[in-house]
Amino acid sequence: EDQVTQSPEALRLQEGESSSLNCSYTVSGLRGLFWYRQDPGKGPEFLFTLYSAGEEKEKERLKATLTKKESFLHITAPKPEDSATYLCAVQGINKFYFGSGTKLNVKP
Amino acid sequence: ETGVTQSPTHLIKTRGQQVTLRCSSQSGHNTVSWYQQALGQGPQFIFQYYREEENGRGNFPPRFSGLQFPNYSSELNVNALELDDSALYLCASSSQGGETQYFGPGTRLLVL
Repeated sequence: EDQVTQSPEALRLQEGESSSLNCSYTVSGLRGLFWYRQDPGKGPEFLFTLYSAGEEKEKERLKATLTKKESFLHITAPKPEDSATYLCAVQGINKFYFGSGTKLNVKP
Repeated sequence: ETGVTQSPTHLIKTRGQQVTLRCSSQSGHNTVSWYQQALGQGPQFIFQYYREEENGRGNFPPRFSGLQFPNYSSELNVNALELDDSALYLCASSSQGGETQYFGPGTRLLVL
């Protein structure tokens, strides 16, 4: 069964405390893996697209990596404004699969 | 460059009614996808439209249907509403040959 699993479900960090979010997937015909940020009551905001194992993308304090079975979103020295739900999505054959997200809370 | 827009922002319906939600894609995008997001969950893929044809569908019953128009805008129609249809409905657009999707702000539907 095609599915995407994210862990942890929730993560509380102190400002400046680096960590990683995990996204594991079992999807046939992978065409791309996507990371989004979602604030409460709003639509997901695009962060990264990864297409092949070994690929890495960076943006400010965020870095996304991809292997054959999972992806990591590394957050370096987070700030309170990084608090949000981070969603991972995988595109299979004519379908998209989202994980349930990791809710990140960064305390000042 | 305008982003993805959706209307209405909020909607209240009663069980058994029908609803139509609307989406305008980002300029230059010709593919539209619809998602249902229940509270505390990730978005669930409903279907995708490309060049006015359904191009993929998730595990949703036939009472969920859609349309895409020549200007690439789209509608999601839900018939015989059920209480479990209460959710945030998201529209996303992407360009031909590109899989990255850009989301609108969503329509919050409440079924009583």
